[in-house]
Amino acid sequence: AQSVTQLGSHVSVSEGALVLLRCNYSSSVPPYLFWYVQYPNQGLQLLLKYTSAATLVKGINGFEAEFKKSETSFHLTKPSAHMSDAAEYFCAVSDHNTGTASKLTFGTGTRLQVTL
Amino acid sequence: EAQVTQNPRYLITVTGKKLTVTCSQNMNHEYMSWYRQDPGLGLRQIYYSMNVEVTDKGDVPEGYKVSRKEKRNFPLILESPSPNQTSLYFCASSSTMNTEAFFGQGTRLTVV
Repeated sequence: AQSVTQLGSHVSVSEGALVLLRCNYSSSVPPYLFWYVQYPNQGLQLLLKYTSAATLVKGINGFEAEFKKSETSFHLTKPSAHMSDAAEYFCAVSDHNTGTASKLTFGTGTRLQVTL
Repeated sequence: EAQVTQNPRYLITVTGKKLTVTCSQNMNHEYMSWYRQDPGLGLRQIYYSMNVEVTDKGDVPEGYKVSRKEKRNFPLILESPSPNQTSLYFCASSSTMNTEAFFGQGTRLTVV
């Protein structure tokens, strides 16, 4: 069974500082990995995804993530935080070899706070 | 515009009163699913459907029913809601060839 662990349910950074949100996964087969963002009172929006192509994935709003198989990690980073980045972020994994390729298993989420 | 539409956005109901949350997508996606979001637990899959008339249980199916009579619609049915089903519910759809999931805006359900 696949699983996702997000370390830190709350992360606070200053505006302009580096954003680092951690995600580790467990999967018996090569995974597809995703980061979603949820703004208040909204649904989830895809930030970026890894589907076994380049290990460094660039997404929207200046975010990127690096797939590291040896560390089973897919951490999300952004060089300089903006106030508008304040939201909840979810890491998710899907097992594309089981026939239920679109079943996503989510982490518990990390709430990002950006301060002045 | 490609979208997943859920209704209602907010619902307060009483224990035992049957309710349906509708979900519709306009992207001709084969795969649709329902998730519930609870604080500290992330999103957990309730049911999914790989195509018309094909549905299966997710991780937390107890107390829920679904149907998939048309490709675009995937309603979630709570036949006898209980307070532990108070949650934020999301419908999602995706093509089986592209695992990116598109989410609706969510339905906040309160069962009293």
